[in-house]
Amino acid sequence: EVQLVESGGGLVQPGRSLRLSCAVFGFTFDDYDVHWVRQAPGKGLEWVSGITWNRNTIAYADSVKGRFTISRDNAKNSLYLQMNSLRAEDTALYYCAKKDGPHGFDHWGQGTLVTVSS
Amino acid sequence: DIQMTQSPSSLSASVGDRVTITCRASQGIRNDLGWYQQKPGKAPKRLIYAASSLQSGVPSRFSGSGSGTEFTLTISSLQPEDFATYYCLQHISYPLTFGPGTKVDIK
Repeated sequence: EVQLVESGGGLVQPGRSLRLSCAVFGFTFDDYDVHWVRQAPGKGLEWVSGITWNRNTIAYADSVKGRFTISRDNAKNSLYLQMNSLRAEDTALYYCAKKDGPHGFDHWGQGTLVTVSS
Repeated sequence: DIQMTQSPSSLSASVGDRVTITCRASQGIRNDLGWYQQKPGKAPKRLIYAASSLQSGVPSRFSGSGSGTEFTLTISSLQPEDFATYYCLQHISYPLTFGPGTKVDIK
């Protein structure tokens, strides 16, 4: 069974950093692109960042570019999101999602909540 | 960047109703579009991929159509478990973009 399990969320002050992790199970991690998607409280879905299976392509939303860094460790079946210079508007539930080849996201984690507040 | 719009933003419907949601892209995206259902407190779930292909395990009352810039998600006979928010997602180019969502609730 495919599973993605996020961790690392919490309450953090503006300007500080946080690192999210996503552990994956049930599929060959290094065959697939993986992404982060977030959802602010009561709002819609926002794509944040993605990384290809071989790390050849990494992309970010403009809203996080220069502050967030996506990475993956294929040996550990894990995806990461290093978030620096956090802002109140980064407050959201952060999901990791597996990309199904050319067909969008077929599996999602349950999310980890990041709250940026003083 | 490709902008995605959805209409309506919300709708009220009854069990058994036929429901259609439209998603429009600001430029052509071929059929690189998926539809997602999200219930409160839950992760999104993919219903349709490649604009019109039904995700395995999803009831056949859900269908998708369209190509280029205009897409539709149709629920042929709304069931109680279908009350949720629906999003489209284009994944032809970065940044990937979701539509703003359509909330379907009970009339």
